[in-house]
Amino acid sequence: QVTLRESGPALVKSTQTLTLTCTFSGFSLSTSRMCVSWIRQPPGRALEWLALIDWEDDKYYSTSLRTRLTISKDTSKNQVVLTMTEMDPVDTATYYCARMNGGLTGVFDYWGQGALVTVSS
Amino acid sequence: QSALTQPASVSGSPGQSITISCSGTSSDVGGYKFVSWYQQHPGKAPKIIIYEVSKRPSGVSNRFSGSKSDNTASLTISGLQAEDEADYYCMSYTTASTWVFGGGTKVTVL
Repeated sequence: QVTLRESGPALVKSTQTLTLTCTFSGFSLSTSRMCVSWIRQPPGRALEWLALIDWEDDKYYSTSLRTRLTISKDTSKNQVVLTMTEMDPVDTATYYCARMNGGLTGVFDYWGQGALVTVSS
Repeated sequence: QSALTQPASVSGSPGQSITISCSGTSSDVGGYKFVSWYQQHPGKAPKIIIYEVSKRPSGVSNRFSGSKSDNTASLTISGLQAEDEADYYCMSYTTASTWVFGGGTKVTVL
């Protein structure tokens, strides 16, 4: 049974750095073609892809946010961590982690429940 | 990477068919078969319903179907049911090795 769960602060202040952890079970990020990604959704708005890390520890970032994002994994703990620097109120959103199975051209087949992060000015 | 273009809303009566379009460019939708569709009910995480343009994951109703022509992908829901009322997002892999979502379409069952 595959599960993912996001954890981190619910509230951060403007200019601070956000650190979110995705803890997963039911699969291993050391398995070929497995990836974990972060996706966010501002209240009432569309999904936005942020970053992805694959089984070979290759990392991919949103073009518009790459200077602010860092994604990393701890395979032994089954965790993926996302940091986002210089948080701004426009970054207020529900942050999801999701598994991509099938390599970089797979699909997000399992999602966490999401973690709402509010940025205060 | 600009978001893919979807209509903001589509509606239909129970039993009818509706189609949601997803327009991109040759760098995303038009360049790959890796277009997928996600259904999201209020307060819930998205759920995959179509992948690789037209494939359905196990357990997804065959009332959902996908297609693509040039830079535009489409999702058709046939035999519309009340439970289909949700937001729908398309997503594509891109030439920059990134992923891009559409702006989302709210489906209303009249």
